[in-house]
Amino acid sequence: EADIYQTPRYLVIGTGKKITLECSQTMGHDKMYWYQQDPGMELHLIHYSYGVNSTEKGDLSSESTVSRIRTEHFPLTLESARPSHTSQYLCASSRRQVSSYNEQFFGPGTRLTVL
Amino acid sequence: AQSVTQPDIHITVSEGASLELRCNYSYGATPYLFWYVQSPGQGLQLLLKYFSGDTLVQGIKGFEAEFKRSQSSFNLRKPSVHWSDAAEYFCAGSSGGQNFVFGPGTRLSVLP
Repeated sequence: EADIYQTPRYLVIGTGKKITLECSQTMGHDKMYWYQQDPGMELHLIHYSYGVNSTEKGDLSSESTVSRIRTEHFPLTLESARPSHTSQYLCASSRRQVSSYNEQFFGPGTRLTVL
Repeated sequence: AQSVTQPDIHITVSEGASLELRCNYSYGATPYLFWYVQSPGQGLQLLLKYFSGDTLVQGIKGFEAEFKRSQSSFNLRKPSVHWSDAAEYFCAGSSGGQNFVFGPGTRLSVLP
């Protein structure tokens, strides 16, 4: 059973607020990811990290930022939320090795609604 | 460029019927291939994965997938669908430690 957690599960906030979506994993995985997914749509990679102090932008441009100060923790922050940020945000983690099983384990997601 | 395609956006089957969801990939070398399932409002759960060896892979919940190099396909199958299988299914590929490439997903509806 994968151990990756996201909080909050649901968040409704007003425009202009600063928010942080939390993601933690207890599997000791080096790589972590954030995906954005609109309902019934495909996943878009917005950020990923190879390990502590590593952050990279994904395929989809995002106004959010991430940090990786601890291996197990990969929070995502929006400095000023807008209605266009309304979406589901999925966090995932995996081992880093090239040739081993590098399947991604996903958290339950945070559904964000910005009014 | 690496890509994963799922030709069917939405499939409807009757409960008890067999199921096949299609996935095609485009990679320079044989990628690692995965099938995930996502129930509404949830994260993705891994159904099965293929790395090498036997081209017929067994997964959880009675699912299996067959890797066919000649067709660049990795189709997901289940002999008898249950109502609880209604969900979104994503095929994904990965090569050389690179990030996953996900297909657009196939939504499965199950009729009683």
